[in-house]
Amino acid sequence: AQSVSQHNHHVILSEAASLELGCNYSYGGTVNLFWYVQYPGQHLQLLLKYFSGDPLVKGIKGFEAEFIKSKFSFNLRKPSVQWSDTAEYFCAVRGNNNNDMRFGAGTRLTVKP
Amino acid sequence: KAGVTQTPRYLIKTRGQQVTLSCSPISGHRSVSWYQQTPGQGLQFLFEYFSETQRNKGNFPGRFSGRQFSNSRSEMNVSTLELGDSALYLCASSPIAAAGELFFGEGSRLTVL
Repeated sequence: AQSVSQHNHHVILSEAASLELGCNYSYGGTVNLFWYVQYPGQHLQLLLKYFSGDPLVKGIKGFEAEFIKSKFSFNLRKPSVQWSDTAEYFCAVRGNNNNDMRFGAGTRLTVKP
Repeated sequence: KAGVTQTPRYLIKTRGQQVTLSCSPISGHRSVSWYQQTPGQGLQFLFEYFSETQRNKGNFPGRFSGRQFSNSRSEMNVSTLELGDSALYLCASSPIAAAGELFFGEGSRLTVL
């Protein structure tokens, strides 16, 4: 079964700083990749997804992620964070062989105003 | 369009008891997945159902079980509760099995005393 590793448990940034959250996965076949976000008190929602094609994917709220197949990575980036980006971010992978979706442990992002 | 509805939202049980959680997916969605969310562990996959059939099962003991009804609503049951079962249980739905995006409910927070 596939697995997902998120390198950072808690990241603290000041507003306008750049963000990069690491995500690596383990799976031998073709994968679909996702980033979900959970704002305080809210349910998980999709930030962006990669199925195929351009490895640089753009999502909502200025987020983007790059799929690097050779590194089994799908890192999340944002050039300039805002206080409202404070949330927990989860990377997820679904193998393309009728597998279930597996999530990383999550990275808590705190943006200081 | 109504989202994924989970009931109850909060519950407190004591060790040894059993609990049943319910999930109503988005109308038209036939796939339901269940996850256990705990701090530091992220989301752990429990099971996935599609058209009343369990498609995948995570690495949880047999005390954890689930089912899906003909109207796509799903229930999960945990018997002989342990303190370590305290968690947020999330349900997610999607239109088809092994779909790209999952749509999450707000979860059922279980506390075991």
